[in-house]
Formats: sequence, C-alpha cells, structure tokens
Amino acid sequence: EDKVVQSPLSLVVHEGDTVTLNCSYEVTNFRSLLWYKQEKKAPTFLFMLTSSGIEKKSGRLSSILDKKELFSILNITATQTGDSAVYLCAVEAGYSSASKIIFGSGTRLSIRP
Amino acid sequence: NAGVTQTPKFRVLKTGQSMTLLCAQDMNHEYMYWYRQDPGMGLRLIHYSVGEGTTAKGEVPDGYNVSRLKKQNFLLGLESAAPSQTSVYFCASSRDPGQGAEQYFGPGTRLTVT
Repeated sequence: EDKVVQSPLSLVVHEGDTVTLNCSYEVTNFRSLLWYKQEKKAPTFLFMLTSSGIEKKSGRLSSILDKKELFSILNITATQTGDSAVYLCAVEAGYSSASKIIFGSGTRLSIRP
Repeated sequence: NAGVTQTPKFRVLKTGQSMTLLCAQDMNHEYMYWYRQDPGMGLRLIHYSVGEGTTAKGEVPDGYNVSRLKKQNFLLGLESAAPSQTSVYFCASSRDPGQGAEQYFGPGTRLTVT
C-alpha cells in the first residue's frame, strides 16, 4: 500500500530558529514529491521535486529529495511567525494514465516570537 | 483569473439531508479532485476526474457522488449526509500530472452534519 509519512507531527520553535521537516514515502512508480504550506485555508504550493540531490530554494525555504532512501526534507532558516502553518508533503505515483497523489498527514509548525 | 473557487464556504446539514458542493476552475485544467481534510488525517482523496465526462474513485469515495459535465466544473454530492461526513472539503485542479503535478486548491467548504 502506498504511503507518505511526515515527521514530526508538530513542532514549536522560537523565531529565528532553523527547522527541518521530514517526509518519507513508500510508493509504486514514484513520479514526483511536492511540498505545500497550509495556513488557515487552502494549501499553497511550495516545491516540486523529481530528481535526487538537487536542492530547490525559495528565500528561506529549501528542499531536497533522496530517491534512494525515499525521503525528502524541507528546511526553513531564520524562521518568522508568518512561517507558522501546517506543511504537507504529497507524492505522485503510478503511471501517466493512472497516477495518483498521496498526502502525508502534515507537520504543524508553530513559531513563537 | 479566479483560479479555483468553491461554493458554498460553510454549510450545516441535518443527518439524512442532501447537498451539492460546486467547484469551478478557470485554468483549463484537465484534472480535478475532491479531498476531505479531518484533524490529524491530512488530505484524503474522495473522487477525481481526468477530463470532462470522466470520474474515478479515490481513497474514501463511499457516501459521495461526483459529476464532471463541463471541463471547468466538478460537483460533489452527498445524497444522505451523516455526522461522519463533517469535515472540510477541498477541491483542486491540475494539468496532466505527466506535465507536472502541482495542484491548485480552492478555499475549502466547511461542512457540519448534526
């Protein structure tokens, strides 16, 4: 059975700290891994990763994929209160005619001022 | 572009009542999805569609029906609501996943069944 597991489930840090969120997966025919940020409403897209070892960066956020060990990490440096959110990891798997997207349960990140 | 819109934003139903949630997208996406999100459960796929006139079951399809009569619209129906269907429902759309699987989400519908 395909599954995506995120850890930790929740995390509380102080503003300015650096955090690392984890996502591991077991799927058949991996196609891509995506990270989303969800504040009070709909998830918004952060990164899509398809190749191992290539870091994607956007400001203070970065992410990398390890297809051999089947995991990805999302790093946030110099955290700010606006980074408080649930971070969702999703994996697209399967074949182009029948691919599916499996979401992890998310990591709830709280940044204290 | 409005992106993905959902109506209504909130709804309270009594057990046994029916309702339809409407999702619309203006990005000409082929794929559309309905998810439910419960505390600690992440997003779970209810039904999805790979094009106009097609629908397929996701992870948790029981108690729901869908229709995709027009490419831009994806309707989710509850024929006889149950308290277990209390949840936040998200619609999403994407291009063909073979071209990049980023999904665009609507703002959500908070449904309470009493």
